[in-house]
Amino acid sequence: NAGVTQTPKFRILKIGQSMTLQCTQDMNHNYMYWYRQDPGMGLKLIYYSVGAGITDKGEVPNGYNVSRSTTEDFPLRLELAAPSQTSVYFCASSYLAGGNTGELFFGEGSRLTVL
Amino acid sequence: AQSVTQLDSQVPVFEEAPVELRCNYSSSVSVYLFWYVQYPNQGLQLLLKYLSGSTLVKGINGFEAEFNKSQTSFHLRKPSVHISDTAEYFCAVTVRDSGYSTLTFGKGTMLLVSP
Repeated sequence: NAGVTQTPKFRILKIGQSMTLQCTQDMNHNYMYWYRQDPGMGLKLIYYSVGAGITDKGEVPNGYNVSRSTTEDFPLRLELAAPSQTSVYFCASSYLAGGNTGELFFGEGSRLTVL
Repeated sequence: AQSVTQLDSQVPVFEEAPVELRCNYSSSVSVYLFWYVQYPNQGLQLLLKYLSGSTLVKGINGFEAEFNKSQTSFHLRKPSVHISDTAEYFCAVTVRDSGYSTLTFGKGTMLLVSP
């Protein structure tokens, strides 16, 4: 049981490049989330999904896009990377919505640097 | 909207000493409260949660927290810390019984345990 798997773990991008952070979970969770973590700022929600085909914006969605074609996968796309997107990105999933149990299962993170 | 304030960004403590990490929240409706821990280069994992019932909640690794509604606080405590408790700790809040509610995290408190 792998849990939540994120790839890549590290990536350096040039300004203006695009890339996709991959996230997959094998727990059959309906709810999936993308957070970014910046030093001293905690975690900010970028996008979340309540099931296949349904996504919604979080607190900081600008510059990102997501899709949810299957229960297992929730990729995060960065278009036209900017230095402000340098961060550690975490994917998470939960069996129920955060408002019901709050137990999120996190991946190990993807560290992205934009130069 | 709900918010979380973690009053200390860093807490240094000696091994076997007690520790308290402070968390205050703000919300106009009833909430659920959580503490997550992040060990170096890892994702977050759930330490404990308050949903209802007893205001004293026990979690993993000997940690406990007390929900105080009148002071809107949810402080985390451990009577005797170990070197292995060195990590970043995040307090989080979500709206109670809200189907699509997501977690809002505090900025984190780094617990530094030294010999």
